[in-house]
Amino acid sequence: EAQVTQNPRYLITVTGKKLTVTCSQNMNHEYMSWYRQDPGLGLRQIYYSMNVEVTDKGDVPEGYKVSRKEKRNFPLILESPSPNQTSLYFCASSFRFVRGSGQQASTDTQYFGPGTRLTVL
Amino acid sequence: QKEVEQNSGPLSVPEGAIASLNCTYSDRVSQSFFWYRQYSGKSPELIMSIYSNGDKEDGRFTAQLNKASQYVSLLIRDSQPSDSATYLCAVPLAAGNNRKLIWGLGTSLAVNP
Repeated sequence: EAQVTQNPRYLITVTGKKLTVTCSQNMNHEYMSWYRQDPGLGLRQIYYSMNVEVTDKGDVPEGYKVSRKEKRNFPLILESPSPNQTSLYFCASSFRFVRGSGQQASTDTQYFGPGTRLTVL
Repeated sequence: QKEVEQNSGPLSVPEGAIASLNCTYSDRVSQSFFWYRQYSGKSPELIMSIYSNGDKEDGRFTAQLNKASQYVSLLIRDSQPSDSATYLCAVPLAAGNNRKLIWGLGTSLAVNP
């Protein structure tokens, strides 16, 4: 079954305790992305990756790190979590957008993981 | 700043009625538009995409696009209680190497039995 998985699904932690949220996809997608979703603010992109070893900041990268050592995995790392990082986090993946080749492979149809609800006390 | 705007709702309709959800966007060069559905506490899932002006139908769902007015809508016919969810409008934005989605805040729909 084609899917994006995230772990853990729920996490309560304390300020300053490093944590990693894992994300894995089995669809051979090049593009992966992390979002956080907060009431009244919607979905905001944290980091994205166009392919292995290629990552870049999204709109709200402060306090987060990512790595892309393998195509299928894109972990999100919080080195020193703070209460303002309490949120619902989603990992998403898609094919990389290709221009002018005739192949309609786009980053637009994104497949989301089930989400990770993080609480930082 | 590119924006996507939606009425937050809640939009309440009786079962069997037509639900109409609207979205406006600020980027005049946008070429594709997406509607995602998100149940409470769950992840967004794509339900419709539209690239050309006019209507696109898929089962009970119809997306309508008017690029001149920068307006895209989603109609849900014969609404069911299972359609109760938040509907997110998303528009791609090319920014350097990143082709990311700009998201509206969503419209909450409640279908009453």
